[in-house]
Amino acid sequence: AQSVTQLGSHVSVSEGALVLLRCNYSSSVPPYLFWYVQYPNQGLQLLLKYTSAATLVKGINGFEAEFKKSETSFHLTKPSAHMSDAAEYFCAVPVGTPLVFGKGTRLSVIA
Amino acid sequence: SQTIHQWPATLVQPVGSPLSLECTVEGTSNPNLYWYRQAAGRGLQLLFYSVGIGQISSEVPQNLSASRPQDRQFILSSKKLLLSDSGFYLCAWSRRWGTRNYGYTFGSGTRLTVV
Repeated sequence: AQSVTQLGSHVSVSEGALVLLRCNYSSSVPPYLFWYVQYPNQGLQLLLKYTSAATLVKGINGFEAEFKKSETSFHLTKPSAHMSDAAEYFCAVPVGTPLVFGKGTRLSVIA
Repeated sequence: SQTIHQWPATLVQPVGSPLSLECTVEGTSNPNLYWYRQAAGRGLQLLFYSVGIGQISSEVPQNLSASRPQDRQFILSSKKLLLSDSGFYLCAWSRRWGTRNYGYTFGSGTRLTVV
């Protein structure tokens, strides 16, 4: 079945450091991939999406992700972490109509 | 612009009691609608989705049910809650055509605690 795998349930970075959150997709996945962010006790908000138009996708809040077919990856990055980036991040892929989500990565930012 | 409303925000219910969570969408027509549950450490589990009035697809057999009585209304129900039904319930909508391009918009969620 088509799916995504997020490596690392919890990532901790210092404020100002690079943020790297990993997502790998199954090889049969069609070229549509999403990253969502969830702040505590809130719904999910779309960060960015890959729809095969460009391999490097820029999203909101300074995040970007690069689609790498050779590595079956769609990792999320941000050059400099801010305290407000502390949240849970989900990678997702459409499977038929619904989106299927990874298990999420909780990002902590240390002052 | 499109908005999605979900209520209540929090709910504490005893085991064996009924449940009704409501979700409505404004500013769009013929949306796809979805119910997800988020339990601690388990990510997002798709419960139900609907592509039209009265059309419900169930992803996980359990004591929950969903209904879509109107185009922009999606209701999650249970006749008798179990402790394992506790979690954070999220409603979402997407365009009927083009979910793959546009993704979902989520509601703010309902925190359900079954005691």
